[in-house]
Amino acid sequence: NAGVTQTPKFQVLKTGQSMTLQCAQDMNHNSMYWYRQDPGMGLRLIYYSASEGTTDKGEVPNGYNVSRLNKREFSLRLESAAPSQTSVYFCASSEAGSNQPQHFGDGTRLSIL
Amino acid sequence: GENVEQHPSTLSVQEGDSAVIKCTYSDSASNYFPWYKQELGKGPQLIIDIRSNVGEKKDQRIAVTLNKTAKHFSLHITETQPEDSAVYFCAASGNTGGFKTIFGAGTRLFVKA
Repeated sequence: NAGVTQTPKFQVLKTGQSMTLQCAQDMNHNSMYWYRQDPGMGLRLIYYSASEGTTDKGEVPNGYNVSRLNKREFSLRLESAAPSQTSVYFCASSEAGSNQPQHFGDGTRLSIL
Repeated sequence: GENVEQHPSTLSVQEGDSAVIKCTYSDSASNYFPWYKQELGKGPQLIIDIRSNVGEKKDQRIAVTLNKTAKHFSLHITETQPEDSAVYFCAASGNTGGFKTIFGAGTRLFVKA
């Protein structure tokens, strides 16, 4: 029972490089989310996908793009990485609707030099 | 904008004692309040949640209370054990604001054996 799987687990980039973070869920959930976690700031929503074929901006979308490839997969892309994007990135999924518990992956730890 | 404040940021208790973590929220339209536990190197995991039509919910050693008038909700852990040591996040979401769940900044709980 894998739940939400994120790849890679760790990555180091140089400023200006691009990267795609992958996320897949096997719970047949309609909604998927990308968060970033920084010390002392909790989790902040970057983008979400309420259902297959739709994506919307969250609280901190600047510098990121997303693709809902199919119902299972939701990827996050950094086109030109900046040191301010050094963070731990979490993908989550839930049943349809905002008032549902979210299931999280174990995160991608991203450092940008 | 919407905000969730969480206190304390760090909490240290003796094994067997109780621990209480408190949160306040700003958006009166919020109606779903989950609590997540995050262990080192892992993603957050739901431990209990409460909806606005309920004032209290209990699950073994864990309980959550909600005061909608004051916009407060709290997590209570009784008979704490060393394995309760983790970071705990409260969150709030509602039917307005799309799929945005707002997280508190987290409480690091230490349970001393």
